Amino acid sequence: DAKTTQPNSMESNEEEPVHLPCNHSTISGTDYIHWYRQLPSQGPEYVIHGLTSNVNNRMASLAIAEDRKSSTLILHRATLRDAAVYYCILRDNNNDMRFGAGTRLTVKP
Amino acid sequence: EPEVTQTPSHQVTQMGQEVILRCVPISNHLYFYWYRQILGQKVEFLVSFYNNEISEKSEIFDDQFSVERPDGSNFTLKIRSTKLEDSAMYFCASIYRDRDSYEQYFGPGTRLTVT
Repeated sequence: DAKTTQPNSMESNEEEPVHLPCNHSTISGTDYIHWYRQLPSQGPEYVIHGLTSNVNNRMASLAIAEDRKSSTLILHRATLRDAAVYYCILRDNNNDMRFGAGTRLTVKP
Repeated sequence: EPEVTQTPSHQVTQMGQEVILRCVPISNHLYFYWYRQILGQKVEFLVSFYNNEISEKSEIFDDQFSVERPDGSNFTLKIRSTKLEDSAMYFCASIYRDRDSYEQYFGPGTRLTVT
């Protein structure tokens, strides 16, 4: 399985942008990069995904390096409700999602 | 907005007992999944299910586990003889079409406590 590496934790101030990095140096050409998050006491929820180009949606932006060996999830203005564990996941050929430990984001008021 | 539902929200059982965790995926979804999360640990893939059969399963999904879609709406996970280490949150998820879809919808989870 292609693996991802994320920092264990990050902190942000409310209303400020947050950049959550992910390294995936062994990514294959057909792997999509997915981001999910898990708010406290809830199931994971989809945030964004991409293949090669940068992506934007109402929740976040995804910046993908040109060589695809890393990506960054960008929350443009963090709110207290964005405090969660953020998972960077590669969809492999079997289509199973394998979660890593993720990055625990703390948002300070 | 459609959502995945799971029942019960919390199940307490004694070691060695059988438990069935229930999930109702989103109605037009075709692929179904079970994951578990032991307290304080990462989310672990258990099994995927499509067209009334298992597509993939992890090493965790041994003979004690089984899944079933008994009717057109429910998707169940059965643990035949529970062990203490089966205590975890169990999440069901569904997706419309696997490779062409990108968003797995997760349920709120069932907390299983084995005593």
